[in-house]
Amino acid sequence: NAGVTQTPKFQVLKTGQSMTLQCAQDMNHEYMSWYRQDPGMGLRLIHYSVGAGITDQGEVPNGYNVSRSTTEDFPLRLLSAAPSQTSVYFCASTPTGGGGTDTQYFGPGTRLTVL
Amino acid sequence: GENVEQHPSTLSVQEGDSAVIKCTYSDSASNYFPWYKQELGKRPQLIIDIRSNVGEKKDQRIAVTLNKTAKHFSLHITETQPEDSAVYFCAAHNAGNMLTFGGGTRLMVKP
Repeated sequence: NAGVTQTPKFQVLKTGQSMTLQCAQDMNHEYMSWYRQDPGMGLRLIHYSVGAGITDQGEVPNGYNVSRSTTEDFPLRLLSAAPSQTSVYFCASTPTGGGGTDTQYFGPGTRLTVL
Repeated sequence: GENVEQHPSTLSVQEGDSAVIKCTYSDSASNYFPWYKQELGKRPQLIIDIRSNVGEKKDQRIAVTLNKTAKHFSLHITETQPEDSAVYFCAAHNAGNMLTFGGGTRLMVKP
């Protein structure tokens, strides 16, 4: 199994551009989530999904959209990039739908810089 | 929502010494408390977790204690080794399906 994969690894955007960060898992996990990691602020939850067709907002959802059309994929869309969205983005999945009470398997991360 | 505070933000110990990292949480309904280790440039990985019906859990050199009354939990690493150097994050499960993380502790183990 490849586990949780993310593309791209690095990305530079200009203010106002849009893009999609890709996340996929091949472990048939129900729960998937997106976090951003900023220095000194730990990991903050952006959006999550408890299964295909179901998504919900996390702690910092503004400026981001998600969809979950399949169990495997959970893309994160930046609608209009801003410098405040410069961060490292991690996708994670857990085996069960209860993502808050189970081991989170993280992807390798995407380092995004917005100029 | 849940608020998790983690201390200290940096910790330097001599190889072989013990290290203790403490976290407090705000939501008394939280019932799951994992700890993640993140090496430089890598993804976070779970090292140990504890649920609210247990006061202490050990795994070799790592232990976690939970005090539900005081709403705090701690990570204890004994006989530290250079490979323990990393950033450690605590987290608490709050309402729904969300996990709230602390700000992280950078542990440096000096040989």
